[in-house]
Amino acid sequence: AQSVTQLDSQVPVFEEAPVELRCNYSSSVSVYLFWYVQYPNQGLQLLLKYLSGSTLVKGINGFEAEFNKSQTSFHLRKPSVHISDTAEYFCAVSDTGGGNKLTFGTGTQLKVEL
Amino acid sequence: GAGVSQSPSNKVTEKGKDVELRCDPISGHTALYWYRQSLGQGLEFLIYFQGNSAPDKSGLPSDRFSAERTGGSVSTLTIQRTQQEDSAVYLCASSFTSGTAGELFFGEGSRLTVL
Repeated sequence: AQSVTQLDSQVPVFEEAPVELRCNYSSSVSVYLFWYVQYPNQGLQLLLKYLSGSTLVKGINGFEAEFNKSQTSFHLRKPSVHISDTAEYFCAVSDTGGGNKLTFGTGTQLKVEL
Repeated sequence: GAGVSQSPSNKVTEKGKDVELRCDPISGHTALYWYRQSLGQGLEFLIYFQGNSAPDKSGLPSDRFSAERTGGSVSTLTIQRTQQEDSAVYLCASSFTSGTAGELFFGEGSRLTVL
């Protein structure tokens, strides 16, 4: 079984500032890692994913995340946020054994202010 | 549209009534998932259908919850004798089989309010 911890429930940030949303996971097997974004009144959409290879993965809208196996982390970063990045961000994990059943964290609400 | 479609978008019901929530996945997707999103609790896995295999029901919280998927396409999540703690947004997602690991396509959800 896996679990995901997103310690920050809300992150306020000013526009054009950098942001990091933290994600830590726990698993006894190899995992795939994901970030999903949920804009207001919309369904979740995939932002980026780590399956294998380079530990730094780039996603849509200028976001990137780095897989750190020793720290069991997969933090999401963006060097300069925009108002339109205001949304809820979910970190998720699945095992590599087949199937796409995801375990999600509780989400981080990113609020970008002028 | 080409996305995952869920209905109703909003449902208000009285405690003790049964409700049915419908999900129409993206055409050609063999996997279908139901999740529940409660305030402050993230997304809770409920059930997973993959092709003709037996569904993974390990996330269903009680025997009041059931789901079926007819013809490998449309799915219905049924909640019997609803309780106030069932109030949440019920999300459906679909995906291809392995090869696109983790790329679930979500609908906009069905918001259930139990009075």
